[in-house]
Amino acid sequence: EVKLLESGGGLVQPGGSMRLSCAASGFTFTDFYMYWFRQPAGKAPEWLGFIRNKGNGYTTEYNPSVEGRFTISRDDTQNMLYLQMNTLSAEDTATYYCARALFRRMDAWGQGASVTVSS
Amino acid sequence: DIQMTQSPSSLSASLGDRVTIICRASQDIGVYLNWFQQKPGKSPRLMIYGATNLGDGVPSRFSVSRSGSDYSLTISSLESEDIAIYYCLQYDKYPLTFGSGTKLEIK
Repeated sequence: EVKLLESGGGLVQPGGSMRLSCAASGFTFTDFYMYWFRQPAGKAPEWLGFIRNKGNGYTTEYNPSVEGRFTISRDDTQNMLYLQMNTLSAEDTATYYCARALFRRMDAWGQGASVTVSS
Repeated sequence: DIQMTQSPSSLSASLGDRVTIICRASQDIGVYLNWFQQKPGKSPRLMIYGATNLGDGVPSRFSVSRSGSDYSLTISSLESEDIAIYYCLQYDKYPLTFGSGTKLEIK
């Protein structure tokens, strides 16, 4: 069974940093590009970025809305995906999802991790 | 950025009705469109990929069509399990962008 499990969410103060993790299982992690999305309560999802697989150089693409503040990385030895978020503000409050994709077919998503930025 | 204009924002229909949701792209996106279904408290589920392909396990009552820059998702006979919010996502150009969603409710 394909599973993606986010962790590391919670409450963070404005200006702070947080790292989310996504543990993958049940599929060949190294084959897939891995994505991060977020969704503020009651709003549409927003694409944050993705990281390609080893065969494509582990290169990344980001939404300009977060580029420079957010960094996506992966550890293929542990089947882990990460999202490092810096200089957080209230506008970053959302549920954060990881997802796998081949050819932009995002067919498996995690259950989400809640991030609240507040003092 | 490519804007995805989704309509209607909400739709109330009876079980067994035929319902259609539309996403209009502000630029040509070819077939680079996915549709997602999201139920309350759940993560999005891929329903359609590549504009025309049904995702795994998606019932055949779901279908898609395209007319120019308008992409339509149709449910031929609404069932209670279809109640959800539906989003389109274009992935032709960065940044990938979603429609604002269509909330489907039972009348």
